[in-house]
Amino acid sequence: DIVMTQSPLSLPVTPGEPASISCRSSQSLLHSNGYNYLNWYVQKPGQSPQLLIYLGSSRASGVPDRFSGSGSGTEFTLKISRVEAEDVGDYYCMQGLQTPFTFGPGTKVLIK
Amino acid sequence: QVQLVESGGGVVQPGRSLRLSCAASGFIFSTYGMHWVRQAPGKGLEWVTIIWYDGSNKYYADSVKGRFTISRDNSKNTLYLQMNSLRVEDTAVYYCAKDGGNGSFDLWGQGTMVAVSS
Repeated sequence: DIVMTQSPLSLPVTPGEPASISCRSSQSLLHSNGYNYLNWYVQKPGQSPQLLIYLGSSRASGVPDRFSGSGSGTEFTLKISRVEAEDVGDYYCMQGLQTPFTFGPGTKVLIK
Repeated sequence: QVQLVESGGGVVQPGRSLRLSCAASGFIFSTYGMHWVRQAPGKGLEWVTIIWYDGSNKYYADSVKGRFTISRDNSKNTLYLQMNSLRVEDTAVYYCAKDGGNGSFDLWGQGTMVAVSS
């Protein structure tokens, strides 16, 4: 199974400031088609998870452009250019390359 | 509108069975793979199982293999999860999720809570 790790596990942020979350996989997520099968989800308090980023760097429909994903192979990053109060929640990376699909442990983003 | 609505959760004793349902609307259900993902209280997300768009292939997490069965009825736009031999560690909110066709889950339901307790 592919093991996913994230850092940090808790991220206090100041509104208006940038934020960054790292995700690593135990195996390369780069498919032969050239895409990295790495997704980012956010679960806001009391809500279901929702897709933010797919294929490593593509924003899902309706996701603000302050969110961006980057990386390749085994190392990935989610960046928020300017954090807003509504961005608080748990952020998960997930590999969609092979079953069993696996999630990282989550990063809790909270306002300072 | 485009949505997934789970139902069927509840409190059940260890060793008993439960069947979850997920009603889909607003998209062509029969053309998408579907997943179940669970989240134990205060914990992270765990993928449980996937079924292909036509039901021809199914895969399971080792933690549920042999006990859980995923199925779908495309004529009713409904996904199911039959859970047998339930254990205390199966206690979680169960979400159904639509496969985005690119290794992602692009639509999630609101979840249904399953509590296994004596």
